[in-house]
Amino acid sequence: SAVISQKPSRDICQRGTSLTIQCQVDSQVTMMFWYRQQPGQSLTLIATANQGSEATYESGFVIDKFPISRPNLTFSTLTVSNMSPEDSSIYLCSVEQVSGNEQFFGPGTRLTVL
Amino acid sequence: AQSVTQPDIHITVSEGASLELRCNYSYGATPYLFWYVQSPGQGLQLLLKYFSGDTLVQGIKGFEAEFKRSQSSFNLRKPSVHWSDAAEYFCAVGTTSGTYKYIFGTGTRLKVLA
Repeated sequence: SAVISQKPSRDICQRGTSLTIQCQVDSQVTMMFWYRQQPGQSLTLIATANQGSEATYESGFVIDKFPISRPNLTFSTLTVSNMSPEDSSIYLCSVEQVSGNEQFFGPGTRLTVL
Repeated sequence: AQSVTQPDIHITVSEGASLELRCNYSYGATPYLFWYVQSPGQGLQLLLKYFSGDTLVQGIKGFEAEFKRSQSSFNLRKPSVHWSDAAEYFCAVGTTSGTYKYIFGTGTRLKVLA
């Protein structure tokens, strides 16, 4: 299975600012995904990030708010822009390896917006 | 609409007792099915998966799950629970048509009594 790291692991930010979360994988992967897990809630898919193409966003999420980069097959970033307290969540990166249909998850980034 | 339902938000069992966590899905085609576990402050770990074939699948940590097409269910079981099993458990469906992605259930929080 892939080993995934995320930076930062947690952060406390002021409203109106932006935070970029990094996701690094130890092997090349085809698809990377970004999820949001609000306090006490399940995971909601924000977008799918494929290398060399624009990210595909789910209903309710827009690029202006959550810009994503995928410069190569092992790395992606998610930016949470113009943050408000409602953005306080855990943000998780996951990957799907070339070989299969299962996803492996990073440890998450716990974001608190004051 | 595609959906995953975990009817039990919280479950409490005594250590050594058996466990069954319920998962029902709504999906037009045969889905890929997964169970993940999330320990406090951790990312998601894959317990087991079902793609096709034998409907009883074995996973890690002594867990198993059974796919029942007629009931659109994929319940997770463990014959004897250990205190370390206390965590949040998520059932997920991997869509097999259109853009491949996961749909997560709302999760079941398991508490284990000593």
